[in-house]
Amino acid sequence: EPEVTQTPSHQVTQMGQEVILRCVPISNHLYFYWYRQILGQKVEFLVSFYNNEISEKSEIFDDQFSVERPDGSNFTLKIRSTKLEDSAMYFCASRVSGSADTQYFGPGTRLTVL
Amino acid sequence: GESVGLHLPTLSVQEGDNSIINCAYSNSASDYFIWYKQESGKGPQFIIDIRSNMDKRQGQRVTVLLNKTVKHLSLQIAATQPGDSAVYFCAEKRGSTLGRLYFGRGTQLTVWP
Repeated sequence: EPEVTQTPSHQVTQMGQEVILRCVPISNHLYFYWYRQILGQKVEFLVSFYNNEISEKSEIFDDQFSVERPDGSNFTLKIRSTKLEDSAMYFCASRVSGSADTQYFGPGTRLTVL
Repeated sequence: GESVGLHLPTLSVQEGDNSIINCAYSNSASDYFIWYKQESGKGPQFIIDIRSNMDKRQGQRVTVLLNKTVKHLSLQIAATQPGDSAVYFCAEKRGSTLGRLYFGRGTQLTVWP
């Protein structure tokens, strides 16, 4: 069964460093998302991406964040200068089309900022 | 403020019993609801979904009920098994957004043998 994959599974970085989190969505999916989950809290939306551009972003997704689909398979989230409060699980999700609402999530990347 | 929330943070059941996990929502514009299961260290796993034009949907051992009058959603798991132990989240899509999901805080389901 096709699934969303994410790398790395765990990323440790120093405060102020740049990180890139990678995702490979399900191959025929057209809509892509990033969410995050701070330990013990609920899953929060960051950004949605469709047709090579951001379609919606939350208040969390400030100028330090960016997303890119550099080729036909990868979808990346970049945090330009990490802060301690960026420590969280980051989940990528994808869905197939506008009429199908089901989003399928990847296993997540645990980001630890020291 | 408006939110998707859960009535109980934890639920413990005996193996073989039925489980019911509840969720309240407040946004009347929500048109789609989805239940996810999250095991420790893993991503949310799709269980079942329902659109606002339905009040019940059944899957394998799971049923979702939607009561739009009181803005309430529930997940019923029949014959609960130890492998069902996880955190269960409900999430909603509000009609005005492009697929963005709003998640509740989750209910920890523990199944005792």
